[in-house]
Amino acid sequence: EAGVTQFPSHSVIEKGQTVTLRCDPISGHDNLYWYRRVMGKEIKFLLHFVKESKQDESGMPNNRFLAERTGGTYSTLKVQPAELEDSGVYFCASSRGPGSSYEQYFGPGTRLTVT
Amino acid sequence: AQSVAQPEDQVNVAEGNPLTVKCTYSVSGNPYLFWYVQYPNRGLQFLLKYITGDNLVKGSYGFEAEFNKSQTSFHLKKPSALVSDSALYFCAVRDRDNYGQNFVFGPGTRLSVLP
Repeated sequence: EAGVTQFPSHSVIEKGQTVTLRCDPISGHDNLYWYRRVMGKEIKFLLHFVKESKQDESGMPNNRFLAERTGGTYSTLKVQPAELEDSGVYFCASSRGPGSSYEQYFGPGTRLTVT
Repeated sequence: AQSVAQPEDQVNVAEGNPLTVKCTYSVSGNPYLFWYVQYPNRGLQFLLKYITGDNLVKGSYGFEAEFNKSQTSFHLKKPSALVSDSALYFCAVRDRDNYGQNFVFGPGTRLSVLP
């Protein structure tokens, strides 16, 4: 089975520009998560989808970040306008079940650099 | 609130020697504990998890971890390290008694296995 894929792998943009990250979860996984790792620090939760619904978006840093999952398949995370502190690696993950015991399968991440 | 500590930024070990990567956690309820590994330019890969039952958990690539409730620890171990084990290791926790499926990650420990 194909794993979680993310596009692009790297993105370099200027402050004030817009960037859209895409995540394709493992087929059949209803649960989709976004995480971010900034400056080599811990990986922080951003939000969680169950199918197309936002289950928990408590980790979204501010309203410059917008996540969507239309149709409950792939997801996008848009940053508009980007700021310097948004630089980091954005990970997407998916899991099969709703319970907390299920491991999440991670994509390779998108490295975002805002200059 | 949940938290995870990985007290060592870097662990160096000679090939063939045993390795330990330390993790301690804090949750208000009972924990689900996970270890993930990130190889260069790859996403996080699931290694093992503790859900319930035997405190010694065996996972992929010969790794194991021991859940110690009194010490709130979940150290990752391997009897004989390989150079190919060199990577970034993340410990993560979820509180099984509170709804919420996002992981709380530690800051990561970089393991270097020297030939």
